Amino acid sequence: EVQLVESGGGLVQPGGSLRLSCAASGFTFRLYEMSWVRQAPGKGLEWVAYIGTTTAHIYYADSVKGRFTISRDNAKNSLHLQMNSLSAEDTAIYYCAREDTTLGNYFDPWGQGTLVTVSP
Amino acid sequence: EVLLTQSPGTLSLSPGDRATLSCRASQSISASVLAWYQQKPGQAPRLLIHGASNRATGIPDRFSGSGSGTDFTLTITKLEPDDFAVYYCQQSGGSPLYTFGQGTKLEIK
Repeated sequence: EVQLVESGGGLVQPGGSLRLSCAASGFTFRLYEMSWVRQAPGKGLEWVAYIGTTTAHIYYADSVKGRFTISRDNAKNSLHLQMNSLSAEDTAIYYCAREDTTLGNYFDPWGQGTLVTVSP
Repeated sequence: EVLLTQSPGTLSLSPGDRATLSCRASQSISASVLAWYQQKPGQAPRLLIHGASNRATGIPDRFSGSGSGTDFTLTITKLEPDDFAVYYCQQSGGSPLYTFGQGTKLEIK
């Protein structure tokens, strides 16, 4: 079974840092591009960051560029998101998602999400 | 930047009805980059449709997608209680790499 499990969320003060992880299983992780997508409380979905099968291709949303860093460890089947200089606007559930390019470009599946709360 | 506008914001229907959800892009996009997701409260989004009209694995044929250019539609026939949720469209390409519509909430009338 294809599975993505996020961890690392929690409560952090404004200006602080947090590192999220996503453990992948049930598929050949190194062959898939991955993304982080977030959802603020009661709001819609916002794509955050993308990483290709290697680190040669990395992209960020403007809202996190320069503060967040996406990385992957293909040997450990894991995806990471280092988040620095956090503000209240970063409070959200963070999902990792596998990109599939069979007949399109889309996210399937998604992890269950990990909640990040930025508050004094 | 390609913006996606979904309408209506909320759709109130009864089980057994037919739902028609719209997603309009701010500029023409390839149908291949348009996807639809369903999200229920407390759950992660689930892929329904990719490439504008291709059902994802395990999605019943009551769900169908169509459209091209700037106008795309998700149609759900014979609504079941489990279908009431929030639906998002998504496109890929350009900058930012991915954008989502703001969502349509399908609620029981």
